[in-house]
Amino acid sequence: GENVEQHPSTLSVQEGDSAVIKCTYSDSASNYFPWYKQELGKRPQLIIDIRSNVGEKKDQRIAVTLNKTAKHFSLHITETQPEDSAVYFCAASMGYGQNFVFGPGTRLSVLP
Amino acid sequence: KAGVTQTPRYLIKTRGQQVTLSCSPISGHRSVSWYQQTPGQGLQFLFEYFSETQRNKGNFPGRFSGRQFSNSRSEMNVSTLELGDSALYLCASSSQGRGGEKLFFGSGTQLSVL
Repeated sequence: GENVEQHPSTLSVQEGDSAVIKCTYSDSASNYFPWYKQELGKRPQLIIDIRSNVGEKKDQRIAVTLNKTAKHFSLHITETQPEDSAVYFCAASMGYGQNFVFGPGTRLSVLP
Repeated sequence: KAGVTQTPRYLIKTRGQQVTLSCSPISGHRSVSWYQQTPGQGLQFLFEYFSETQRNKGNFPGRFSGRQFSNSRSEMNVSTLELGDSALYLCASSSQGRGGEKLFFGSGTQLSVL
């Protein structure tokens, strides 16, 4: 089955700096890769996603890149702000139904 | 629209007991999936229901089961509870349950097994 690895497990950056979180997946049949943000005590929420026919997608300060050959995808956050502090989960899906394999998460801390 | 609602919010049970968790999806959503969240393990997929049928199942023992009703509400049952079942159980709904749809999560049920 699919396996998703995520690095780093924790990340601390200064406010205004950039943050990068990387995920790798094992099953080349996976074709949809969302990123979810979970603030402390709250539910996970989708922040950006990318499909296998696209190499990069951007939404304001957030971008995701996908390398299908290497089977990895990354989340890039620029000009980080304290409200970006949260746990970020990447996930992979083969597109049939809602069967997602999540990475173990990255705890991002943005220091003022 | 109201969001995904999970009840109860907290549960404390003892080993060997059974428990039932409830999830009401966003109105109009037909797919409901369940995840177990534990520190360090992230979110582990339990199962997904669509139109009252289990469509996908994760790698959990048969003690974990679920069902979906005609109004798309879903319940998850865990029998013969073990200490390791302590976790946050999240349900998520999506409109058609097609691949690549956004998941809307509930706030979860925090289960503690003593």
